[in-house]
Amino acid sequence: ELKVEQNPLFLSMQEGKNYTIYCNYSTTSDRLYWYRQDPGKSLESLFVLLSNGAVKQEGRLMASLDTKARLSTLHITAAVHDLSATYFCAVGSNYGGSQGNLIFGKGTKLSVKP
Amino acid sequence: DAGVTQSPTHLIKTRGQQVTLRCSPKSGHDTVSWYQQALGQGPQFIFQYYEEEERQRGNFPDRFSGHQFPNYSSELNVNALLLGDSALYLCASSTRQGFFWEQYFGPGTRLTVT
Repeated sequence: ELKVEQNPLFLSMQEGKNYTIYCNYSTTSDRLYWYRQDPGKSLESLFVLLSNGAVKQEGRLMASLDTKARLSTLHITAAVHDLSATYFCAVGSNYGGSQGNLIFGKGTKLSVKP
Repeated sequence: DAGVTQSPTHLIKTRGQQVTLRCSPKSGHDTVSWYQQALGQGPQFIFQYYEEEERQRGNFPDRFSGHQFPNYSSELNVNALLLGDSALYLCASSTRQGFFWEQYFGPGTRLTVT
């Protein structure tokens, strides 16, 4: 059974600081996703990582994937208040081919304070 | 280009009642997946529809059923509602993008069971 674990679950940061969110998954998968969710809102796609060593960056966020370690990281550089949200990683199930459903972690609630 | 739309936005039902939620996929998408997100948790996969058939199903009881129409829109039906069914219900639509399927999430329907 595919399981996805994120840590930390809660993260309180000061503006300007750097931090990393970790996402471990239990079985092989050919794709990993990072989503952002604001309170009461839906999921906003941030990154899709498809291969070992993949690295993607958008603004102050950078995501990477190590398929051998079954680990993805979301690195936050010089955090700003606007980044406060809950971040989810999700791994694509291989059931039925690459159309498979997503298995989500529990999310990391990020709070950036001045 | 309209994204994924869901209706209604909010719904309040009583235990034992039945509810129907609706989803229209993003233009050009032919696959619809439904997820349940309880408060403070990550989304959990309910089922997926493609070509008007249920292709995959998560660990949800038969009280949860669905349908996909020829125009690719979809419905999620929940019978005999329980208090524990209170959650945000997310619809995601997808289609093949090269070697993978990227899922776009709708705004969700907030269901409260009293």
